[in-house]
Amino acid sequence: GQQVMQIPQYQHVQEGEDFTTYCNSSTTLSNIQWYKQRPGGHPVFLIQLVKSGEVKKQKRLTFQFGEAKKNSSLHITATQTTDVGTYFCAGRWGAQKLVFGQGTRLTINP
Amino acid sequence: NAGVTQTPKFRVLKTGQSMTLLCAQDMNHEYMYWYRQDPGMGLRLIHYSVGEGTTAKGEVPDGYNVSRLKKQNFLLGLESAAPSQTSVYFCASSNIPVTDTQYFGPGTRLTVL
Repeated sequence: GQQVMQIPQYQHVQEGEDFTTYCNSSTTLSNIQWYKQRPGGHPVFLIQLVKSGEVKKQKRLTFQFGEAKKNSSLHITATQTTDVGTYFCAGRWGAQKLVFGQGTRLTINP
Repeated sequence: NAGVTQTPKFRVLKTGQSMTLLCAQDMNHEYMYWYRQDPGMGLRLIHYSVGEGTTAKGEVPDGYNVSRLKKQNFLLGLESAAPSQTSVYFCASSNIPVTDTQYFGPGTRLTVL
């Protein structure tokens, strides 16, 4: 079946540093979604990207969808302790169900 | 508006026992999903439903059964639990075709001894 590979699996940063997680698919995606899961919590939808080359921002978070619609990234500028959690991408190919990446667990040293 | 709720929150089973996890949503969503989450594996789809009375297999359906007798409820059954089914189970719903954003429940942590 289709897969999205997400890297890195873990990332530890000092508060104030930037953070980036990447998702890659071997085939063209229809769209990609991003979710955040706080420790002990459940995944919460952040954003959906649909168009080739799309860039969306939510305060300190920047989401990009590659020109070929095979990769995506989430970049957090100047991390804060509230950013701690696991970030998942989830890709869709046509009418198929969403497939989640393995997630990137972000920890922050205050 | 409670969103998506799951019962129970925690459960410990012995190998071979059975149980049913209940998911309920009050958003009138057509689509509902059951996922399991294991360390380093992300979220894997077990079964899903595109409407009342319909169910379909996901990525890891073996050992599980589901039913969607009412639109707002989606049940996940384990007929004979195995230690490999120790996991955190999440239910989700979405309002396709309006949007395919998935709304998750709080999860059920299941341990099979």
